Amino acid sequence: NAGVTQTPKFRILKIGQSMTLQCAQDMNHNYMYWYRQDPGMGLKLIYYSVGAGITDKGEVPNGYNVSRSTTEDFPLRLELAAPSQTSVYFCASSLDVYSGNTIYFGEGSWLTVV
Amino acid sequence: EDKVVQSPLSLVVHEGDTVTLNCSYEVTNFRSLLWYKQEKKAPTFLFMLTSSGIEKKSGRLSSILDKKELFSILNITATQTGDSAIYLCAAYSGAGSYQLTFGKGTKLSVIP
Repeated sequence: NAGVTQTPKFRILKIGQSMTLQCAQDMNHNYMYWYRQDPGMGLKLIYYSVGAGITDKGEVPNGYNVSRSTTEDFPLRLELAAPSQTSVYFCASSLDVYSGNTIYFGEGSWLTVV
Repeated sequence: EDKVVQSPLSLVVHEGDTVTLNCSYEVTNFRSLLWYKQEKKAPTFLFMLTSSGIEKKSGRLSSILDKKELFSILNITATQTGDSAIYLCAAYSGAGSYQLTFGKGTKLSVIP
């Protein structure tokens, strides 16, 4: 069972570079999310999507963009990387929100901006 | 602003001890509270609580929610070194759109 798959697992970026974190899920979940987790902190929501073609900002969206062209994929784009974006990024998905289903996380992507 | 506060932030215990982790929340239109265990990688789901006073159990772990006092506890009995992890609490809000707020987590270290 693949679940939620993220790539790459590790990446070092130089300041000002851009990159895309890939996320795919095979559970036919409508909801997908991107979180970041800084050391000693909980997870903060960057962007989320309630279905293909629909995305919305979370708590910390600045410096990021997303798209959702299919149900399965939800890539996160970092434009003009900054040291403040050094973090661990988790993609997640869930069946829906209002029935209280839990969300399933990917393995994480460790990003360092130098 | 929605808020979830966990305490303590870190805890060191010996194998066999019983621990209680705390989570208080203030969210708009609260719907449910979730507990996750995070080892080196992704958080893994432990419990979802929606009703006050009903204990959920899974082996040595149990959790309960108090919607009047706005808190939840996670108990782990007879701790083992494999319980060492960060335990995250998150609260769902039904305020018209997706809202899941995480606490900072409690880092539990179980030493032999």
